[in-house]
Amino acid sequence: KQEVTQIPAALSVPEGENLVLNCSFTDSAIYNLQWFRQDPGKGLTSLLLIQSSQREQTSGRLNASLDKSSGRSTLYIAASQPGDSATYLCAVLNAGGTSYGKLTFGQGTILTVHP
Amino acid sequence: KAGVTQTPRYLIKTRGQQVTLSCSPISGHRSVSWYQQTPGQGLQFLFEYFSETQRNKGNFPGRFSGRQFSNSRSEMNVSTLELGDSALYLCASSLRQGVEEKLFFGSGTQLSVL
Repeated sequence: KQEVTQIPAALSVPEGENLVLNCSFTDSAIYNLQWFRQDPGKGLTSLLLIQSSQREQTSGRLNASLDKSSGRSTLYIAASQPGDSATYLCAVLNAGGTSYGKLTFGQGTILTVHP
Repeated sequence: KAGVTQTPRYLIKTRGQQVTLSCSPISGHRSVSWYQQTPGQGLQFLFEYFSETQRNKGNFPGRFSGRQFSNSRSEMNVSTLELGDSALYLCASSLRQGVEEKLFFGSGTQLSVL
């Protein structure tokens, strides 16, 4: 059974800092890994999707890496801003099935960026 | 293009009642998935529908059911509500493009069971 763990559970940083969020998963047989952002009481916004054959993806100030063999992914946020404050969720899609909607989520990292 | 639309946004029910939640996917998306989010358990997969057929189901009791219509709109139903069913219910739709299948989530329905 796939299990996803995110560290740290919460993080508070001053504006402008570069930061790293960590995600680990127990079963390396994944199809892809996604990072999402969730604002309080809202739905999820997809930030980055990394296919199992890829090593990293970049979008603006965000960079996500994937090391499938060690079961780890990191989300790097450069030059953090108060608007980045949210919960960041990591989710994996297991390989080998025909269902593409069944993601296994971590518990999330609550990020607070203070001015 | 409109995003995933979930209705209602908020719902208050009492124990023993039943509830139906609705999800309209992004136009052209044929796959719809449902998730339950609680502070204690986080996000848990309920079920996935594709072309009106349930493609996968999570580990939830039979009180939780769903269906998908020919226009890809989906509903989920919870019967005999329990206090523990209080949660944010999220719907996601997806469209496979090449090897990539990205999920797009709605804003959710916040269900409170009293």
